[in-house]
Amino acid sequence: GAVVSQHPSWVICKSGTSVKIECRSLDFQATTMFWYRQFPKQSLMLMATSNEGSKATYEQGVEKDKFLINHASLTLSTLTVTSAHPEDSSFYICSARGRDPGNTIYFGEGSWLTVV
Amino acid sequence: AQTVTQSQPEMSVQEAETVTLSCTYDTSESDYYLFWYKQPPSRQMILVIRQEAYKQQNATENRFSVNFQKAAKSFSLKISDSQLGDAAMYFCAYRRTNTGNQFYFGTGTSLTVIP
Repeated sequence: GAVVSQHPSWVICKSGTSVKIECRSLDFQATTMFWYRQFPKQSLMLMATSNEGSKATYEQGVEKDKFLINHASLTLSTLTVTSAHPEDSSFYICSARGRDPGNTIYFGEGSWLTVV
Repeated sequence: AQTVTQSQPEMSVQEAETVTLSCTYDTSESDYYLFWYKQPPSRQMILVIRQEAYKQQNATENRFSVNFQKAAKSFSLKISDSQLGDAAMYFCAYRRTNTGNQFYFGTGTSLTVIP
């Protein structure tokens, strides 16, 4: 089946630095990818929709200048957390939409971000 | 905006027994998808079952079945013959079928399976 891979699986960074998380569709082309954020014991909250070759669409309340999303190719979307702060520590999950008739959505394994 | 509500933060079931997880949603759209996802401690989201809103027949996948009540906007998950490996966080999710295809998730239900 289709696989979506995230890298890194976990990362620790210092407050004030930027960190990039990659989301790759390994065996299919994904014109649309989605980024979610999940705090401990909470649900997944959609942050933004990433479309290949165009600007991402952010959900209300998500700072686009803080969470930079780039979808430069049909198999790669990146999320960059700029000037990270401890409150940005969270689990970030991406998903990608396949091109099958049902537009199946495939989730990545997630990335833990800890800002110290 | 679409909202998905799971009113049971935690549920437990005896091994081999049946348990039902509840989910309600709110939408003004007539065509959409509904899903149940399982998230074990590994955090990987695993698709359990999917229902197209235009289909009246309830979806079934082996031990997992749903009770889809479109008028009531209710979408419950029944797990039969519960197994230890079913223990996980379960999320109900709504997905639009028009532009975007974004998921909207409920708050989740933590299922414990008692040996």
